[in-house]
Amino acid sequence: DTEVTQTPKHLVMGMTNKKSLKCEQHMGHRAMYWYKQKAKKPPELMFVYSYEKLSINESVPSRFSPECPNSSLLNLHLHALQPEDSALYLCASSQPSSRVGSPLHFGNGTRLTVT
Amino acid sequence: SQQGEEDPQALSIQEGENATMNCSYKTSINNLQWYRQNSGRGLVHLILIRSNEREKHSGRLRVTLDTSKKSSSLLITASRAADTASYFCATDRSGYSTLTFGKGTMLLVSP
Repeated sequence: DTEVTQTPKHLVMGMTNKKSLKCEQHMGHRAMYWYKQKAKKPPELMFVYSYEKLSINESVPSRFSPECPNSSLLNLHLHALQPEDSALYLCASSQPSSRVGSPLHFGNGTRLTVT
Repeated sequence: SQQGEEDPQALSIQEGENATMNCSYKTSINNLQWYRQNSGRGLVHLILIRSNEREKHSGRLRVTLDTSKKSSSLLITASRAADTASYFCATDRSGYSTLTFGKGTMLLVSP
């Protein structure tokens, strides 16, 4: 079982809906990430939080809004999505930035379908 | 683009055989990592190799890194059906774990 928990596992939403994806970790990691993965493609980085502050936004459209309420939780708020936003959304966490690199611990993702 | 390119894109072998996957990348790196992903699930970290290292082992896994050729390889020895998965290399330019993933190799191990 993964130590990074994502809810829900599956989500179907219409283009006018507002929904949120949630991610939780209790490993004491202070860096948390959102990745997006389309079918048969590699994960693509969306956002990075370091010590609860947004440090990287990979030019993600504003219909995706991340939030890090505390060191254990990461949310991704969704609004007015398009069908092409359908994908597997992966949350990950790691040790704080160290300039020597740390492995990422991934959750099992939320499978999002936008209708 | 920093994105790695794995080859082959797909690999089919029998149990007990060895599987080798290669990864090439374009710019300098701090470290390179390999991950496994079972269908529809999250990624699992396998090995991290730093730019000043040439080879690393973990159980049945052996990773090499050649920074002069900007390439890495992952060898899985004595493969098992449970090794069936997609394998991704990921490059970390800065050491701050903002990874860029390669396109992946789909490995199928038949009993």
